[in-house]
Amino acid sequence: DGGITQSPKYLFRKEGQNVTLSCEQNLNHDAMYWYRQDPGQGLRLIYYSQIVNDFQKGDIAEGYSVSREKKESFPLTVTSAQKNPTAFYLCASSRADRTDTQYFGPGTRLTVL
Amino acid sequence: AQSVAQPEDQVNVAEGNPLTVKCTYSVSGNPYLFWYVQYPNRGLQFLLKYITGDNLVKGSYGFEAEFNKSQTSFHLKKPSALVSDSALYFCAVRDMNSPLLTGTASKLTFGTGTRLQVTL
Repeated sequence: DGGITQSPKYLFRKEGQNVTLSCEQNLNHDAMYWYRQDPGQGLRLIYYSQIVNDFQKGDIAEGYSVSREKKESFPLTVTSAQKNPTAFYLCASSRADRTDTQYFGPGTRLTVL
Repeated sequence: AQSVAQPEDQVNVAEGNPLTVKCTYSVSGNPYLFWYVQYPNRGLQFLLKYITGDNLVKGSYGFEAEFNKSQTSFHLKKPSALVSDSALYFCAVRDMNSPLLTGTASKLTFGTGTRLQVTL
C-alpha cells in the first residue's frame, strides 16, 4: 500500500447523500484509477485519469464523479444516483506506460445505511 | 476483448505443501500478466508480472508464476505454503496490442479472485 493513501477507511452514508472518497499518491505517477470491488466479482474500473484535468469513464461510471486538479490527488464522489453504492473502493496509480504495474491504496469501505 | 478466468473459488493447502493457484487468460494480442494478493480489508499488493522473456517469473514472498502461451495460462505457485499466505489472490491481464485508453493509461482486467487457505 505504500505511497498511496485513501481516506476514510470506513464510511457510512445515508440514502440520498453524496460522499467523497479521498485518494492521494506520492509516487509521482501520471495515471490514477478508481475500482469498485464486490464479493465474487473481482475489480471493476470506475474512472481513470492519465493527466491533470483529464479523466475518462471506465466500465461502471454511472452514479460516480471524479476530479483531477492535482497530479497527486484523484477524489471520487459517490452520488445519490448510484443505486447500489455499498462496496469496497480501491484507488490505484501507475506510470503512464503500458508495461507498468498498478499500485493500490488500502481501500475505503462504503456502507449505505 | 481481454478476459481472465480463475477457475477455483478456493484452494486449500496444508502448510509446507506446494501450492498452485490457476489463471487462464484471453487476449487478441500478446499479454501482460499480473498477480496480486489481498489480505482482509486491505488493498491489493503486487506479487509479480510477466511482460516478456523467461516464462518463469519470480516474485515477492517466494511466489513464482509460469507463463504458458500454448495453454494461455499463468498459474501462481509456491514450493512450500505458509499459514500467512492465506489470502485472496487476483490474476490480471492487459493486452499488449490493444489500443491504449485515452492517453497512455491502460486497462487491466481482473479475475474474480481465488481464496487460498493454508492450514497447519
